[in-house]
Amino acid sequence: EVQLVETGGGLVQPGRSLKVSCVASGFTFRNYWMSWTRQAPGKGLEWVASITNGGSSTYYSDSVKGRFTISRDNAQSTLYLQMNSLRSEDTATYYCTSSALAYWGQGTLVTVSS
Amino acid sequence: DVVMTQTPPSLSVAIGQSVSISCKSSQSLVHSDGKTYLNWLLQNPGQSPKRLIYQVSNLGSGVPDRFSGTGSEKDFTLKISRVEAEDLGVYHCVQVTHVPHTFGAGTKLELK
Repeated sequence: EVQLVETGGGLVQPGRSLKVSCVASGFTFRNYWMSWTRQAPGKGLEWVASITNGGSSTYYSDSVKGRFTISRDNAQSTLYLQMNSLRSEDTATYYCTSSALAYWGQGTLVTVSS
Repeated sequence: DVVMTQTPPSLSVAIGQSVSISCKSSQSLVHSDGKTYLNWLLQNPGQSPKRLIYQVSNLGSGVPDRFSGTGSEKDFTLKISRVEAEDLGVYHCVQVTHVPHTFGAGTKLELK
């Protein structure tokens, strides 16, 4: 059974940093591109970032470019999102997703507020 | 960025009824590899999204064949035949042909 389990969310002040993680199981993680997608409370879905299966290339939405960094550890089947200079508009549930959005985690809530 | 226009924003249906949802993109979703990367997702209340359909018309794993997807280029449709209670929630179309990947605004399917 495929599982994506996100951790690391929480309450953080504006301007601070947070790193969320996603541990994958049930599929060959190193063969898949991976992404982060977020959903602000009561809003729609927004793609945040993607990384190629080997980790050599990354892609970001304009709203997070320069502030967020996606990375992965294929040996540990883990995906990361380092979030710096957080803003109130980054408040959302962050979902770890596999390529083509085939698999989704349960999400981790990040709240940016003073 | 590719804009995904999804209609209607909400639907009120009776169990057993059939419904369709439209999704139109601002540019062609045909990738340079010849494939069209248009997916449909269902988000049940309080749950994570789940992929129903990929590449326009392919059913995801475990998805009942009451769901079907059609379309090409810039115009796509999701049809649900014989709606069941478990089908209620928000439907999203999403294109992963172009970066950034972009989503429709969602269609909320509710019981009449």
